[in-house]
Amino acid sequence: DAGVIQSPRHEVTEMGQEVTLRCKPISGHNSLFWYRQTMMRGLELLIYFNNNVPIDDSGMPEDRFSAKMPNASFSTLKIQPSEPRDSAVYFCASSWTSGSGIYEQYFGPGTRLTVT
Amino acid sequence: AQSVAQPEDQVNVAEGNPLTVKCTYSVSGNPYLFWYVQYPNRGLQFLLKYITGDNLVKGSYGFEAEFNKSQTSFHLKKPSALVSDSALYFCAVGYNNNDMRFGAGTRLTVKP
Repeated sequence: DAGVIQSPRHEVTEMGQEVTLRCKPISGHNSLFWYRQTMMRGLELLIYFNNNVPIDDSGMPEDRFSAKMPNASFSTLKIQPSEPRDSAVYFCASSWTSGSGIYEQYFGPGTRLTVT
Repeated sequence: AQSVAQPEDQVNVAEGNPLTVKCTYSVSGNPYLFWYVQYPNRGLQFLLKYITGDNLVKGSYGFEAEFNKSQTSFHLKKPSALVSDSALYFCAVGYNNNDMRFGAGTRLTVKP
């Protein structure tokens, strides 16, 4: 298995532009997570999907952020309009969830976003 | 509210010496406990987890962790450190997927 795939790996954009990050989870996993990592705030959970349905989006910073999971093999995180404070590394992770149990998450390589 | 703490930002050890990376948590009940490692420019990688049972959990790359319920700790250990173990280590605690809490991370440096 190729693991969790994220694209692009690096994104540099100007303030005000729309940014779309993409993620392909591991085949067979039914949970998908988007995280943001910065030096100041560490690793933050932005949104969690289970069976393609958003379960918890309380970590999404504001309305400029949106995430979709149209099918089990693809998810996007969109920022519109982008701001310099959105600069961070964004990780996608997937896992298997069954009943009340939780399992280890498999992380993608991340997208390093720089907003100038 | 549950939280997880990694009291040391940085841990330095000499190659061949034992290493310990500390993690404590403040939750009620019996949470799931995880350790992850992050190498430069990479995503986090799962090392080991504790759900129930034996307090000593063995994981990848020779790492193990000891669950101590009375001290609410889950310290990561390795008997003999390698230079290649140098990385950022994260402890995570939770009951379900949308309440997992990651610690701030501890940077481990193993010197030859």
